[in-house]
Amino acid sequence: QSVLTQPPSASGTPGQRVTISCSGGSSNIGTNTVSWHQQLPGAAPKLLIYNNNQRPSGVPARFSASKSGTSASLAISGLQSEDEADYYCAAWDDSLIAYVFGTGTKVTVL
Amino acid sequence: VQLLESGGGLVQPGGSLRLSCAASGFTFSDHYMNWVRQAPGRGLEWVGRSRDRVSSFTTSYAASVTGRFTISRDDSQTSLYLQMNSLNTEDTAVYYCVRESKDYGTSSGYRYSYYYMDVWGKGTTVTVSS
Repeated sequence: QSVLTQPPSASGTPGQRVTISCSGGSSNIGTNTVSWHQQLPGAAPKLLIYNNNQRPSGVPARFSASKSGTSASLAISGLQSEDEADYYCAAWDDSLIAYVFGTGTKVTVL
Repeated sequence: VQLLESGGGLVQPGGSLRLSCAASGFTFSDHYMNWVRQAPGRGLEWVGRSRDRVSSFTTSYAASVTGRFTISRDDSQTSLYLQMNSLNTEDTAVYYCVRESKDYGTSSGYRYSYYYMDVWGKGTTVTVSS
């Protein structure tokens, strides 16, 4: 059972901006940093964002993220066909003493 | 940097299985290591974590596997293990080995440390079925 809530789906046409929300609580997002992971079809997940808004080397600048209170969001600007994937937020939960993942959002490029 | 899982397969309910994760390309002993699983058509679920020597190799587990799964590591072999006992059909999933890294940030002049999962293996499939 996921503790972090995401919309099940999001979509846009090429070039559009898409945002994905991640809602948590005081013991996870409210206290700890958030990471985002991208899972392309048939592949293992890959780190996309860490420390709320930092991009690892090699991740395109069209991916950005932010955190406010107990929620976080991921934005994809200039949507491209290769961005079609599942996206998961994640954070450590101090109450559960466990990592928690979001429910996942499937992004479709129309 | 590479993580390579092995040991998956078909096992009957109530059975046991041991997964391995061979790490290369980084200083294994400096990192916490995790297992994350994904049931068919489902989202990601954290299974557990092994901290490093500095943290006395302590482990944490998800409630769903506590008492049945055990994580261990061998830093001399740069390997992580997951011993799974009393398996049931709900344990059917792809199991990923995931590295965790530590870094520092600043906020309002305050320096803080944080951890994040940054490298994923390709996964190994475990199927529990009679």
